[in-house]
Amino acid sequence: GENVEQHPSTLSVQEGDSAVIKCTYSDSASNYFPWYKQELGKRPQLIIDIRSNVGEKKDQRIAVTLNKTAKHFSLHITETQPEDSAVYFCAATFRSGGYQKVTFGIGTKLQVIP
Amino acid sequence: DGGITQSPKYLFRKEGQNVTLSCEQNLNHDAMYWYRQDPGQGLRLIYYSQIVNDFQKGDIAEGYSVSREKKESFPLTVTSAQKNPTAFYLCATLNQETQYFGPGTRLLVL
Repeated sequence: GENVEQHPSTLSVQEGDSAVIKCTYSDSASNYFPWYKQELGKRPQLIIDIRSNVGEKKDQRIAVTLNKTAKHFSLHITETQPEDSAVYFCAATFRSGGYQKVTFGIGTKLQVIP
Repeated sequence: DGGITQSPKYLFRKEGQNVTLSCEQNLNHDAMYWYRQDPGQGLRLIYYSQIVNDFQKGDIAEGYSVSREKKESFPLTVTSAQKNPTAFYLCATLNQETQYFGPGTRLLVL
């Protein structure tokens, strides 16, 4: 099955600096890579995603890059703000026996220091 | 996400007791999932269902059971065989590769 590794597990940055979270996946059949943000005690929310036929995608201060050859993808947050503080999960989606499965990384707790 | 409801928000289980967590959706999505979330361990898949009357075990299915009698509903039962059930449980649907989560149920053992 798919295995997704995510690092770092915790990340502290000063407000205004950039934050980068990296993930690797094992199954070359995975073709969709979403990123979720989870604030304390709340549900994960999709913030950005990328498909395997795209190398980079940006949405305001958030960007995601994908290197299919190396099987890794990264989340970049620029000009960080205190409200960016949360746990971020990467995921890889693939089909297994007719079912679609989502495998999540372990999560990165991001703290933005004012 | 407002189309997925989970109840109760908090649930207390006594030792040896089976408890059932509810998950209902009005998004008309076919696929539904149950995840368990523990601190520092991310989201782990318990069960998933692609269609009514069909479901598959995920990575940590032992001690859990599910049913899918209606498209809208995917309840999870935590049985007495699950020796460490304390966790945050998230129900989700999947539509066109995007996962949508419910608000979660926090299960605590008395």
